Amino acid sequence: AQTVTQSQPEMSVQEAETVTLSCTYDTSESDYYLFWYKQPPSRQMILVIRQEAYKQQNATENRFSVNFQKAAKSFSLKISDSQLGDAAMYFCAYRSGVNFGNEKLTFGTGTRLTIIP
Amino acid sequence: DTGVSQDPRHKITKRGQNVTFRCDPISEHNRLYWYRQTLGQGPEFLTYFQNEAQLEKSRLLSDRFSAERPKGSFSTLEIQRTEQGDSAMYLCASREKDEAFFGQGTRLTVV
Repeated sequence: AQTVTQSQPEMSVQEAETVTLSCTYDTSESDYYLFWYKQPPSRQMILVIRQEAYKQQNATENRFSVNFQKAAKSFSLKISDSQLGDAAMYFCAYRSGVNFGNEKLTFGTGTRLTIIP
Repeated sequence: DTGVSQDPRHKITKRGQNVTFRCDPISEHNRLYWYRQTLGQGPEFLTYFQNEAQLEKSRLLSDRFSAERPKGSFSTLEIQRTEQGDSAMYLCASREKDEAFFGQGTRLTVV
C-alpha cells in the first residue's frame, strides 16, 4: 500500500518570502501522480499543482513549484513571494497511474501554513 | 455548473440515528469519490463510483455505511446507527481527467 508522509505539522513564513513544504511517499509503482492540495479554513480543497512521475521536469504554476526527486521518493512544494491568501492546510497526495481499481488519492496528514504580515 | 455541491454542510445527530448526505458532482464528471477527514488528519478514501457503478470500497466503509449513485448523477452516503467515532468531515470529489474537484464537505457531529 502506498503511504504519504508530511513531517511538518506547521510552518510559518513572512509575507513575500519563500517557504518549502516537505512530502515523502512510499510506493512500489513506477507510474503514478503526485499532487499538492490547499485547504483554506472552512473552504473546499483545491488543487495547487500536479506532477506526473514519468516527467523529469518539475512542475510549476506561477508562484508554486515542486522539487520532485523520484529516486528519493520526495515531492516538496516551494511557494515563492508568499501572500496572506496562501495561509491554509496543504496536503500532499498520491494517485496510482494504473487506472482501474486504483483511483483513490492517498493523502498525507497535512502542513498548516501561516503567513506572517 | 459552479462545482461540486454537498448537502447539508453541517449535521448534528444523536448516537444511533441514521443520516444521509448528498453530493452533486460537476455534471460531465463520471468519477465520484467519498472521503472522510477527521481533525488533524488528511482525507481518507471511502468509496469510488464510475458512473453508477461502485468500483472500490475502503475497509473503512463498515456495513453501517452505504453509498449509491443512481443513474450516474448525484450520490448519497448513508450512515446507519451512527456512533461517536463517525464524527468527521465527509468530502465528496468528482473527476473527469487528471484533476479531482472537491466539495466543501458535510461536517457530521454525533452526540
